Amino acid sequence: QKEVEQDPGPLSVPEGAIVSLNCTYSNSAFQYFMWYRQYSRKGPELLMYTYSSGNKEDGRFTAQVDKSSKYISLFIRDSQPSDSATYLCAKVLTGANSKLTFGKGITLSVRP
Amino acid sequence: GAVVSQHPSWVICKSGTSVKIECRSLDFQATTMFWYRQFPKQSLMLMATSNEGSKATYEQGVEKDKFLINHASLTLSTLTVTSAHPEDSSFYICSALPTLAEAYEQYFGPGTRLTVT
Repeated sequence: QKEVEQDPGPLSVPEGAIVSLNCTYSNSAFQYFMWYRQYSRKGPELLMYTYSSGNKEDGRFTAQVDKSSKYISLFIRDSQPSDSATYLCAKVLTGANSKLTFGKGITLSVRP
Repeated sequence: GAVVSQHPSWVICKSGTSVKIECRSLDFQATTMFWYRQFPKQSLMLMATSNEGSKATYEQGVEKDKFLINHASLTLSTLTVTSAHPEDSSFYICSALPTLAEAYEQYFGPGTRLTVT
C-alpha cells in the first residue's frame, strides 16, 4: 500500500463550483499534511498545511484532516479558472530532515 | 516570500553528455536541499537529500554515480546528470529548506525540463 493515495482524475468543473479533492494515507506517526498546487511546467507551491484533525480555512480553501479514518481533503469554494492546476497532497513526519511523500496528483480544470 | 531558482529552466542534450542543474535559494540560507524527479502525469519522487558540506543521501534505486549532487554553500546545490540517456528525460525539481525550519516549510524551485536526444 502506498503511503499516500490520491483520488484519480482529471476533474472538470464549471466556474463557481465547490471542488472536493481527497487523499488517504497510511502510517499514523506524528506528521504534517499539506496540499500543493502545481501549474503546468512549474514547481509546486504550498497551499495549506495542517497538523491536527479538523478544518483549516484560508480564503476559498479549506483543508480537512480526519486522523481516525486517515483521510485528508481540500475544498475549494467558488472555483475560478485560475484554480486550474494539478493538486498534490503530501505528508511529512515532524523534524527537519523528514521526507515529503506525495500523492499522485489530480488535475483540475475549471471551465469559465 | 522565499524564492528558489533553478537554472536552466529547460535543457536539451545529446545522449552520453553530462548536464548540470543549479538550485539557488535567493533570500534565505538552506542547510538542506532536496532533489525530485517528476515524469509526465506522475507525482514528485524524491531522488536525494543534500546537506551543505556533506555527502548527499540518495533514495533507494537512484544511482549516486549517475546523479552527482554538490551542496557547496548554504544557497546553492547542483545536480549533475552524467552520461545522460533518453530515459533520464524528465522534469527535475529542487526544494530548499530554510535552516531550522520544519520539513513542510521547504520551498520549491520552478523545475528544469531535461530532454535527452
